Amino acid sequence: SQQGEEDPQALSIQEGENATMNCSYKTSINNLQWYRQNSGRGLVHLILIRSNEREKHSGRLRVTLDTSKKSSSLLITASRAADTASYFCATGPQAGTALIFGKGTTLSVSS
Amino acid sequence: ETGVTQSPTHLIKTRGQQVTLRCSSQSGHNTVSWYQQALGQGPQFIFQYYREEENGRGNFPPRFSGLQFPNYSSELNVNALELDDSALYLCASSLDTDLGGLFFGEGSRLTVL
Repeated sequence: SQQGEEDPQALSIQEGENATMNCSYKTSINNLQWYRQNSGRGLVHLILIRSNEREKHSGRLRVTLDTSKKSSSLLITASRAADTASYFCATGPQAGTALIFGKGTTLSVSS
Repeated sequence: ETGVTQSPTHLIKTRGQQVTLRCSSQSGHNTVSWYQQALGQGPQFIFQYYREEENGRGNFPPRFSGLQFPNYSSELNVNALELDDSALYLCASSLDTDLGGLFFGEGSRLTVL
């Protein structure tokens, strides 16, 4: 079963624009992570935010977490064509060994 | 420092056959997790191995089994293949069982005909 739901399922923007993706989840978490996947290849870890954090930055990435609403957002600023990929949120449970992934958002950035 | 490597990258099997997928974890990592990703879906947790012992399992039948070796490399075995087993199988390594960011391999794409 999948815990997270990303929204939107697909997003198309122009280079230089910002891209925002949202993730909702169902159960209590220890942390929430975002991964990128290029064309059905391996996943690359982008950023992790812990349940006691509200916002985190890494380069052009900004992640927010609202545990009261069980939601997170990923903002990519000044998008580039190389950002074209699928983006997944994954929740790390308070107990257990499995990351639980959503279905992903497919981002297309055109030049 | 070597990353996570998986083999084979692609393979085709027929229904009822058996398959073994292999994974070498990142240097220094002692924990390996396996995920199945069907087309258009997010990865689903199969199981995790920590220091050669199964340390957690997702909702997959017993015909999905695994091994971890003393060098922390790992195998995923699937018996009696079904058409729905067609997917990308991803291996991820980490240090201990900390879920604070997994390192994924490029995956093995299995097609069952």
